[in-house]
Amino acid sequence: NAGVTQTPKFRILKIGQSMTLQCTQDMNHNYMYWYRQDPGMGLKLIYYSVGAGITDKGEVPNGYNVSRSTTEDFPLRLELAAPSQTSVYFCASTTRTSGNWGQYFGPGTRLTVL
Amino acid sequence: AQKVTQAQTEISVVEKEDVTLDCVYETRDTTYYLFWYKQPPSGELVFLIRRNSFDEQNEISGRYSWNFQKSTSSFNFTITASQVVDSAVYFCALSETSNTGKLIFGQGTTLQVKP
Repeated sequence: NAGVTQTPKFRILKIGQSMTLQCTQDMNHNYMYWYRQDPGMGLKLIYYSVGAGITDKGEVPNGYNVSRSTTEDFPLRLELAAPSQTSVYFCASTTRTSGNWGQYFGPGTRLTVL
Repeated sequence: AQKVTQAQTEISVVEKEDVTLDCVYETRDTTYYLFWYKQPPSGELVFLIRRNSFDEQNEISGRYSWNFQKSTSSFNFTITASQVVDSAVYFCALSETSNTGKLIFGQGTTLQVKP
């Protein structure tokens, strides 16, 4: 199993550009999440999904969109990049087997908006 | 509202010292999960431990130990005989149980272990 994979690892965007951060997991997890980590801070939830076709907002959803057409993929879309979106983005997934909520994290995408 | 507080922003110790990282949480749920993650300088998040709210047994794993006390809403993490490789940011997190599994993270504690 590759676990949770994210692409790209690094990206520099200009203000106003758009991009999609890719996230894929091969563990057949129903639950997937996108977090952002600003410098010196903890992670904050952007969006999450409890299954294919179902998504919901987290704590900081403004400026982002998501979709979940398959169990494996959960892409995060930035439509009009702003400097405030400079951050490290982590995708995570989990399953509720045996009441276990332990989340598996991808390696992160470091995004800079200039 | 749920909240996780790690009051220690940075801790610096000399190798072989013991160090305790504090975590205090707030939740109205009666059933919940607590986690510790390590983020080394390379940036990835490494899962360390998960605890259920109904299991207050303290746990020891090698040089790591965890002290969970519901009465004080604390879930502290101790590293015994610290090593330079323990230098990292450590995050405490709380998972609600409303069928979403969302994690609420503390701000993190940066641990620097000097040789």
